[in-house]
Formats: sequence, C-alpha cells, structure tokens
Amino acid sequence: AQSVTQLGSHVSVSEGALVLLRCNYSSSVPPYLFWYVQYPNQGLQLLLKYTSAATLVKGINGFEAEFKKSETSFHLTKPSAHMSDAAEYFCAVSDQEETSYDKVIFGPGTSLSVIP
Amino acid sequence: DTGVSQDPRHKITKRGQNVTFRCDPISEHNRLYWYRQTLGQGPEFLTYFQNEAQLEKSRLLSDRFSAERPKGSFSTLEIQRTEQGDSAMYLCASSPSTVTDTQYFGPGTRLTVL
Repeated sequence: AQSVTQLGSHVSVSEGALVLLRCNYSSSVPPYLFWYVQYPNQGLQLLLKYTSAATLVKGINGFEAEFKKSETSFHLTKPSAHMSDAAEYFCAVSDQEETSYDKVIFGPGTSLSVIP
Repeated sequence: DTGVSQDPRHKITKRGQNVTFRCDPISEHNRLYWYRQTLGQGPEFLTYFQNEAQLEKSRLLSDRFSAERPKGSFSTLEIQRTEQGDSAMYLCASSPSTVTDTQYFGPGTRLTVL
C-alpha cells in the first residue's frame, strides 16, 4: 500500500539558509511523487512533481526535489529561504498498485517557519 | 483565470443536521476529487470522479456521505446526520485527466459541527 512519511512536523530556518524538508514514500511500483504548498488561508498549490523522467525536479519559487529510488525518498530543498516561504508543505505519492484508478496519498505535512 | 471554487467557505451546523457542499472545477477538467483535511494533517482522499462517473470511494466515506457530479460539471458532497467528528476542511480539486496532471485545489469549505 502507498504511504508517505514526512520527518519533522515543524521546521524552522533562518532567512537565507538552506531549506530541507524530508519525504519518504512506500510503494511497490514506481511512483509518481508530488510536493504541494499551502499558504495560510489559501488552497494547496503544486510546487513540483516527479513522473519518471529526470530524477532531479525543479519547481516554482526556487524549490527542487530529487527522487532517490534506493532511499525511497523525495526530499524538497531550496538553497536560500525567504520569509514568503513560510507555509505548510505536503509530500504526496500516487501509483496504480491497488486499483486501476489513480489517487494521490498525502503525507501529514511539515510546517516551515522562516526566522528573520 | 477561473480556478476551482467551493461554496460555502464556512459552514456551522448542529449535530444531526444535513449539509451540502458544492465544488465548481476548472472548466473542461475531467477529474474531480474530494478530500478531507483535519488540523495538522494532510488531505485525506474521499472520492473522485472521471466526468460524471464516481470511480472510487475511500473507506473513510461512510454511508452518511454521498457525492454526485451530474453531467460531469460541478459536484456536490452531502453529509447526512452530521457528527462532531465530521468537523474538518473539505477540499475539492480538479485535473485534466490523469494522475500525473496537476491537481488544482479550491479554497475549501470549513465545516464546524456543534
């Protein structure tokens, strides 16, 4: 069965510092992987997605993530944090393991705080 | 640019009452998803539609929950005999056709059951 774990429910970084949000997935078949961001009082927005092409995926707002099959990971990074990056980040996985229908399973989320 | 819209944005109801939420997807998006999100958790899949066909329902969706998407356009999610445990944010998303397509989320409907 598909599942997603995100290590660290809360992460704080200083402005300008590296952002690293961790995501590990469980899937018996090659998955599709996503990172979504949720700003306060706004809907979820796709940051980036991995769909079996390049393992290093670049997204919006300077974020990128690398798919590592051997580690079953899809960590999200950004070289330099900005105050506007403060938000809730969700990793998600999808595959067609159980049914022929697609669905996306979200992780519990990581709340990112950026300290001035 | 018209995104996914949801109505109402907030709903307060008393336990035992029925409530109905509406979702208007991006036009021409074939897929429509419903999720539930509680505080501190990620969205939990409830059900989804391919055009007017409801293709899958989560085990989270008890008999008190029903969703429809007549004519493959807007969708409604009804909760009958609401319980306090139903209090959550109900999210709707739409996408063009496959799982690799980006899902576009609406702002959600926050339900509070007193």
